[in-house]
Amino acid sequence: DTGVSQDPRHKITKRGQNVTFRCDPISEHNRLYWYRQTLGQGPEFLTYFQNEAQLEKSRLLSDRFSAERPKGSFSTLEIQRTEQGDSAMYLCASSLDVLYSRAFFGQGTRLTVV
Amino acid sequence: GESVGLHLPTLSVQEGDNSIINCAYSNSASDYFIWYKQESGKGPQFIIDIRSNMDKRQGQRVTVLLNKTVKHLSLQIAATQPGDSAVYFCAEKNQAGTALIFGKGTTLSVSS
Repeated sequence: DTGVSQDPRHKITKRGQNVTFRCDPISEHNRLYWYRQTLGQGPEFLTYFQNEAQLEKSRLLSDRFSAERPKGSFSTLEIQRTEQGDSAMYLCASSLDVLYSRAFFGQGTRLTVV
Repeated sequence: GESVGLHLPTLSVQEGDNSIINCAYSNSASDYFIWYKQESGKGPQFIIDIRSNMDKRQGQRVTVLLNKTVKHLSLQIAATQPGDSAVYFCAEKNQAGTALIFGKGTTLSVSS
């Protein structure tokens, strides 16, 4: 499978706990994105990496959220002190580093905070 | 501001009919648009894209039309099949060109 891979697919956690999600992009893709999707809504942009550099962060990305992409390959998204409002689908996407580049999404990680 | 939206939240069609899903965008400077299909519990799946220097682009059973005058985008699906049932999103590049802005989506239901 050469698509975008996300792990885990589902995560249930208690409020206040920390969680970490992993994304493995398509191997030749330099750009990597994280989005959040709540029920009935379209995906909302969180952050963007070009290789290992985090170049843009949305206002949605509170101080409790941190993303990394060491070595410009896989990426992790950590949420500290989770809140019930963090319950959502977290989607990762990747694309080539060209002007008009199609972004391909992973299957997402469904987070439920109880 | 930047936003994309869809005219109808739901669309019901019969198998074999042609489907048309519409999208309005607000940023007249947008130069790249993508349509995605999302099935329940899965990530968005790329369908087709179009640049602003084009009015029409065709894929396999799908056609995207872009009307820059009225800032309107549509996705046409020919001979709709039950497997086409999903939520469809249009998306445009943000002003920085670094990320996609999605609308709320149209749920397409295809009955046999």
